Amino acid sequence: SQQGEEDPQALSIQEGENATMNCSYKTSINNLQWYRQNSGRGLVHLILIRSNEREKHSGRLRVTLDTSKKSSSLLITASRAADTASYFCATDAAGGGNKLTFGTGTQLKVEL
Amino acid sequence: DAGVTQSPTHLIKTRGQQVTLRCSPKSGHDTVSWYQQALGQGPQFIFQYYEEEERQRGNFPDRFSGHQFPNYSSELNVNALLLGDSALYLCASRWGADTQYFGPGTRLTVL
Repeated sequence: SQQGEEDPQALSIQEGENATMNCSYKTSINNLQWYRQNSGRGLVHLILIRSNEREKHSGRLRVTLDTSKKSSSLLITASRAADTASYFCATDAAGGGNKLTFGTGTQLKVEL
Repeated sequence: DAGVTQSPTHLIKTRGQQVTLRCSPKSGHDTVSWYQQALGQGPQFIFQYYEEEERQRGNFPDRFSGHQFPNYSSELNVNALLLGDSALYLCASRWGADTQYFGPGTRLTVL
């Protein structure tokens, strides 16, 4: 079953704009990870945020985590056409043995 | 340093047949997990192997089985294929409780 749900399901923006995706989940977690997937290929790991962290940055990516609301957000700043992909959040549940439970994904399209 | 590799890239089978998918983990990784991703969905956990044993299993029937070899590579076997088994099968590897790295996947089509 899907643990998380991403919002929105699809997002279309212009190059240079910022893109924000949200993820909600249901159980206590060890960490939450964001992945990118291009055209049904393999998943590329973007960033991992641990349950005791509130914000993390990596290049143009900014991730926040609110464990009280069981939610996370991914912000991509100054988007590029190459950022067009599906983005998934995945939770590593507390006591879950490091298996990942994925959300349904956000399809991001960045137009020139 | 090679990342996670999977073979074959694509596979077409008919209902009732059996299939074996292969995965070589990233160098230094000892834990391999398999995921099934249906079209338009997020990946779903099938099972995880560590020290050549199945350590965790998701909600998949016994038709799905696996194996891990001493060199940490792994196989996923699916028996009595159903149309609903058509999906992208992803392998992921990690060391300890670290980040999981995914392979490019095997696209299985069942006719």
